[in-house]
Amino acid sequence: DTGVSQNPRHKITKRGQNVTFRCDPISEHNRLYWYRQTLGQGPEFLTYFQNEAQLEKSRLLSDRFSAERPKGSFSTLEIQRTEQGDSAMYLCASSSERQYSTFGSGTRLTVV
Amino acid sequence: QKEVEQNSGPLSVPEGAIASLNCTYSDRGSQSFFWYRQYSGKSPELIMSIYSNGDKEDGRFTAQLNKASQYVSLLIRDSQPSDSATYLCAVNMGVSGNTPLVFGKGTRLSVIA
Repeated sequence: DTGVSQNPRHKITKRGQNVTFRCDPISEHNRLYWYRQTLGQGPEFLTYFQNEAQLEKSRLLSDRFSAERPKGSFSTLEIQRTEQGDSAMYLCASSSERQYSTFGSGTRLTVV
Repeated sequence: QKEVEQNSGPLSVPEGAIASLNCTYSDRGSQSFFWYRQYSGKSPELIMSIYSNGDKEDGRFTAQLNKASQYVSLLIRDSQPSDSATYLCAVNMGVSGNTPLVFGKGTRLSVIA
């Protein structure tokens, strides 16, 4: 068990570009969550999956954001036409039916 | 919309003292409560979970839950400089324990050697 893995660790992009982040959950965890955290705030829920099904999306998730978990294993979060306000730490977490959420190390996005 | 409130701090305590961190939540129906620790630049890590009224102890940490008052607290005994971090209180969005979490803004704790 190597924990929740996120890639890349850091991403700097120009405004208007598209970016994609990847999350590999703990292998036996069927639930996968995406959160966003800005400085001085707690993590804010974006979306989550049970296996390959996307169960809920936050109102924070604008049309420029899309997430997938095609085979119920890894997940990707794509942001299209990035804006400076998208700069944040993007956190992925996973859990099983009876376990608490375990977080990955996060991807820090900077939009310049 | 569930809300979780925490005093942002910083809370400064001397080494060896008891640090007391507090949290209130808005949804009386919340069932599962968590304390995560987050070091600067790192991701949150779970330190305590609590589901029933009363106290739950784990080493130097004690979580306290009072559902009638919608109040959760975390006590850290014999505080160490390595405990200096931001402590995040969280509750589940849904009734089930494995639904997404709603976090407070966190309380920054500084333990002074």
